[in-house]
Amino acid sequence: QKEVEQDPGPLSVPEGAIVSLNCTYSNSAFQYFMWYRQYSRKGPELLMYTYSSGNKEDGRFTAQVDKSSKYISLFIRDSQPSDSATYLCAMGLGNQGGKLIFGQGTELSVKP
Amino acid sequence: NAGVTQTPKFQVLKTGQSMTLQCAQDMNHEYMSWYRQDPGMGLRLIHYSVGAGITDQGEVPNGYNVSRSTTEDFPLRLLSAAPSQTSVYFCASSYSTTDTQYFGPGTRLTVL
Repeated sequence: QKEVEQDPGPLSVPEGAIVSLNCTYSNSAFQYFMWYRQYSRKGPELLMYTYSSGNKEDGRFTAQVDKSSKYISLFIRDSQPSDSATYLCAMGLGNQGGKLIFGQGTELSVKP
Repeated sequence: NAGVTQTPKFQVLKTGQSMTLQCAQDMNHEYMSWYRQDPGMGLRLIHYSVGAGITDQGEVPNGYNVSRSTTEDFPLRLLSAAPSQTSVYFCASSYSTTDTQYFGPGTRLTVL
């Protein structure tokens, strides 16, 4: 079993839809949680970074962490064609030199 | 700031050849790491460094060597390339082990 599981998709939605991306994890020791966005043939770029359970909002993006269920989500409101990319969740232990464990990534396509 | 730079962008090797993937950052980051990205596997950590002179193995270190003689540079060496090392390689850096990791644009390597 992988430490971090993420549905690879692909996920296709119409412009303006609310998108929900999810990851589950097995290691309860993970301390911080990230979402990265990766455009085709580019390096990943950080979208959201959270330490604690609960919600964190940044513009159209909301990251949600539920440590009791070992489940994290990223919500995108009013999705735009420019949101079309692969979204990767990542988790870190904090005491292991910054090592991040990534999910497989979910490929999202937002159709105009 | 140029951020994280990687060279070359593309490389084709024959089995058994050796090469060095270059990574440099100009943000004075202490933490640097190398990942490989394969279809359906997400990003997997190869090696990382928490400062000049200090390196450690990640999840998939076999067949790769690293060294960190300066804060700015973190080269990845393939000792004897194998087709299983065909992948996209990303270098990342951050200010500390729990800070945001900034990724380079990647090197696409094909081993024939």
